[in-house]
Amino acid sequence: AQSVTQLGSHVSVSEGALVLLRCNYSSSVPPYLFWYVQYPNQGLQLLLKYTTGATLVKGINGFEAEFKKSETSFHLTKPSAHMSDAAEYFCAVSDRNADGLTFGKGTHLIIQP
Amino acid sequence: DSGVTQTPKHLITATGQRVTLRCSPRSGDLSVYWYQQSLDQGLQFLIQYYNGEERAKGNILERFSAQQFPDLHSELNLSSLELGDSALYFCASSVAASGLSTDTQYFGPGTRLTVL
Repeated sequence: AQSVTQLGSHVSVSEGALVLLRCNYSSSVPPYLFWYVQYPNQGLQLLLKYTTGATLVKGINGFEAEFKKSETSFHLTKPSAHMSDAAEYFCAVSDRNADGLTFGKGTHLIIQP
Repeated sequence: DSGVTQTPKHLITATGQRVTLRCSPRSGDLSVYWYQQSLDQGLQFLIQYYNGEERAKGNILERFSAQQFPDLHSELNLSSLELGDSALYFCASSVAASGLSTDTQYFGPGTRLTVL
């Protein structure tokens, strides 16, 4: 069985500061990893995904994430936060034998002016 | 706009009742997934259909069922509703068949179900 742990249900950063959202996973097989963002009253939008190949993955809106197998982590970063980044962020994992995504509990990102 | 549509946006009903949620996938997508988002359980995968056939099951209750029609739209049927079924229900679609779990899932805006 696979699982995802997102450390910190709420993260607050100042506008212009580094954003770091943490995600650790467990999976019995090499995982596929995803970050989704959910804005208020909207569905989920894919930010980026890791399947194979380069472990540093770049996504939309300036976000990137690095797959670290030794640490079973897939943390999401952005060098400089913008007010429009305020949203709920979900890390998800999919193994090669399942089609549904297993999501973490989510991290609410707050941007302070 | 992801291209996935869901109706209705909001649904209020009473315990014991039955409701049907509808999802139209993106043009060209053959797979439809249903997810439930609640405060206590978070986002949970319920079930997947591919080209009309059930392909994967997650944490779906026996009171819930789904189907995918020849035009690829899907319906999620929830029966004998309980207060705990109140949640946001998302539909997602992708091109992928079973085993191609690298494909991106595109999510609809969701249906908010309130059971009173």
